[in-house]
Amino acid sequence: GAVVSQHPSRVICKSGTSVKIECRSLDFQATTMFWYRQFPKQSLMLMATSNEGSKATYEQGVEKDKFLINHASLTLSTLTVTSAHPEDSSFYICSAPGGAHVYTEAFFGQGTRLTVV
Amino acid sequence: KQEVTQIPAALSVPEGENLVLNCSFTDSAIYNLQWFRQDPGKGLTSLLLIQSSQREQTSGRLNASLDKSSGRSTLYIAASQPGDSATYLCAVGRDDMRFGAGTRLTVKP
Repeated sequence: GAVVSQHPSRVICKSGTSVKIECRSLDFQATTMFWYRQFPKQSLMLMATSNEGSKATYEQGVEKDKFLINHASLTLSTLTVTSAHPEDSSFYICSAPGGAHVYTEAFFGQGTRLTVV
Repeated sequence: KQEVTQIPAALSVPEGENLVLNCSFTDSAIYNLQWFRQDPGKGLTSLLLIQSSQREQTSGRLNASLDKSSGRSTLYIAASQPGDSATYLCAVGRDDMRFGAGTRLTVKP
């Protein structure tokens, strides 16, 4: 199947700093990518939809000024956690549809474990 | 809004047992349903994808069924092994996927 690469896999940062997470579709183009967050012992929750060439759309309760999303090309979306705080510590994972047809599979990155100290 | 529920939340079985994990969803207008495996601290491993027009999918010891009209799916694991121990997630949709909370499976040697 298609491959989605996410980097870094693990990051520790100081409170107040910003962290950028990259999500790349390696062998296919993705006009849309999705960012999810998973808190400890909870399931994955959709945070936002990243749209190539336009603004991201955010789920209710997700601060768009804190979680900056840039989808600059057909193969790359980035999520920047700005002014990170310990409560932002979580597992972040991206996905990209493998094709335009709605029945095609979505492929997930490996995830990024963010720890804010 | 689509809601996905998984039962049981946790399951512990002896090695070799056959088991069934359950997933239910509230909105039957779905395109896909997917089962994933997640190991502690790790990402997602896709196990089976069922399109809405399909009834079931099989891969090795795994069999997933889908009853779209009743909003249910089951994941059947045959002859369970300790290596099957993980959290199993059910998700519906393709783009903005909605995940269940998962079933944490422990297979004891």
